[in-house]
Amino acid sequence: NAGVTQTPKFQVLKTGQSMTLQCAQDMNHEYMSWYRQDPGMGLRLIHYSVGAGITDQGEVPNGYNVSRSTTEDFPLRLLSAAPSQTSVYFCASSPGTGESETQYFGPGTRLLVL
Amino acid sequence: DQQVKQNSPSLSVQEGRISILNCDYTNSMFDYFLWYKKYPAEGPTFLISISSIKDKNEDGRFTVFLNKSAKHLSLHIVPSQPGDSAVYFCAALPDMRFGAGTRLTVKP
Repeated sequence: NAGVTQTPKFQVLKTGQSMTLQCAQDMNHEYMSWYRQDPGMGLRLIHYSVGAGITDQGEVPNGYNVSRSTTEDFPLRLLSAAPSQTSVYFCASSPGTGESETQYFGPGTRLLVL
Repeated sequence: DQQVKQNSPSLSVQEGRISILNCDYTNSMFDYFLWYKKYPAEGPTFLISISSIKDKNEDGRFTVFLNKSAKHLSLHIVPSQPGDSAVYFCAALPDMRFGAGTRLTVKP
């Protein structure tokens, strides 16, 4: 199993550009989520999905779109990048949404918006 | 509004000694707490968790203590090893709110 994979590992964008951060998992997990990590802030939940076709907003959803057409993939879209979106982005998955369900994180995508 | 706080950005301990990492929370609705460990250039990995119905959970060298009245939890690592050097995040459910993290350095 590859676990949770994220591409790209690093990306530089100009303000206003769009891009999609890819996330895939091969563990047949129902629950997937996106976080951003900023200095002094910990990880903050952007969007999450409890299954294919179902998504919902987290703590900081503005400026980001998601979709979940398959169980395996959960892409995060930035439609018009802003410098405030410079961050490290982590995707995570877990078998379900119960408290005891361990989340597995991908290695992260480091995004710089100029 | 940080509902989960880790007030110590860093902690340095000697190998073999105890490491104590602290976490405070403000939302009384939180009922499940987790600790994650993160190495550079990797994603966080789950370490240990505790439900609000317990006050202690132990797993090998790692023990988490929960004081609900004080809204405080702590992670104890005994004995500390150099491989434990990482950033440790506490997190609280149901909202999955994370603290800012504490960088632990264990010196040989």
